[in-house]
Amino acid sequence: AQSVTQPDIHITVSEGASLELRCNYSYGATPYLFWYVQSPGQGLQLLLKYFSGDTLVQGIKGFEAEFKRSQSSFNLRKPSVHWSDAAEYFCAVGNNDMRFGAGTRLTVKP
Amino acid sequence: DSGVTQTPKHLITATGQRVTLRCSPRSGDLSVYWYQQSLDQGLQFLIQYYNGEERAKGNILERFSAQQFPDLHSELNLSSLELGDSALYFCASSPRLAGDRSIEQFFGPGTRLTVL
Repeated sequence: AQSVTQPDIHITVSEGASLELRCNYSYGATPYLFWYVQSPGQGLQLLLKYFSGDTLVQGIKGFEAEFKRSQSSFNLRKPSVHWSDAAEYFCAVGNNDMRFGAGTRLTVKP
Repeated sequence: DSGVTQTPKHLITATGQRVTLRCSPRSGDLSVYWYQQSLDQGLQFLIQYYNGEERAKGNILERFSAQQFPDLHSELNLSSLELGDSALYFCASSPRLAGDRSIEQFFGPGTRLTVL
C-alpha cells in the first residue's frame, strides 16, 4: 500500500537560511510524487511534482525537490527561505487515490 | 485562486444532523476529489468522481456519500454527524483521469465543519 512519511512535524529556520523538508514514501510501482503548501486558512497549492525523468524537479517560489529511488525519498529544498514561506508543507504520493504525509509546519525566524 | 469553489465556507451544526457540502471544479475539469483534514487524522482522501461516476474510494465513512452531477459540480453529504466529524473538508479537481501519469489536483479553499 502506498504511504508517505514526513519525519519532521515542525521545523524552524532563520530567514535567509537554507531549508530541507524530508519525505519518504512507500509505493508499489513508479511513484508520482508531489509537494503542496498550505497557508493558514487556505487550501493546498501545488509546489512541484515528479512523474519521471530528471530526478531534480524545479517548482514555484524557488523550491526544488530531488527524487532518490534508492532512498525512497523526495525531499524539498530551498536555498534561502523568506518569511512568507512560513506554512504547512505536505508531501503526497499516488495517483487517483493520493496519500498525503502528516505535514511539516515551517516557522521562519526574522 | 485555484478556480475550484466550495460552499459554504463555514458550517456549524449539531450532532445527529445532516449537511451537504458543495464543490464546483475548475472549468473543464472532469475529476473531483474530496478530502477531510482534521488535527488527529491529517489529510485523508475520501472519494473521487470522474465525469459523474465514482472512480476511487478512500477512508470514507458509510454515513458519508457523494455524487457528481451532469454539470460536473459535486456534493458531499454527511449524515448522523458526530463530534469527530468536525474538520476541514476540501474539494480538488483535475482535468482528466490519471492513467500512466498522475494529474495534479487543484484544491478549493475548503469548508470548515463544526459539529457541536
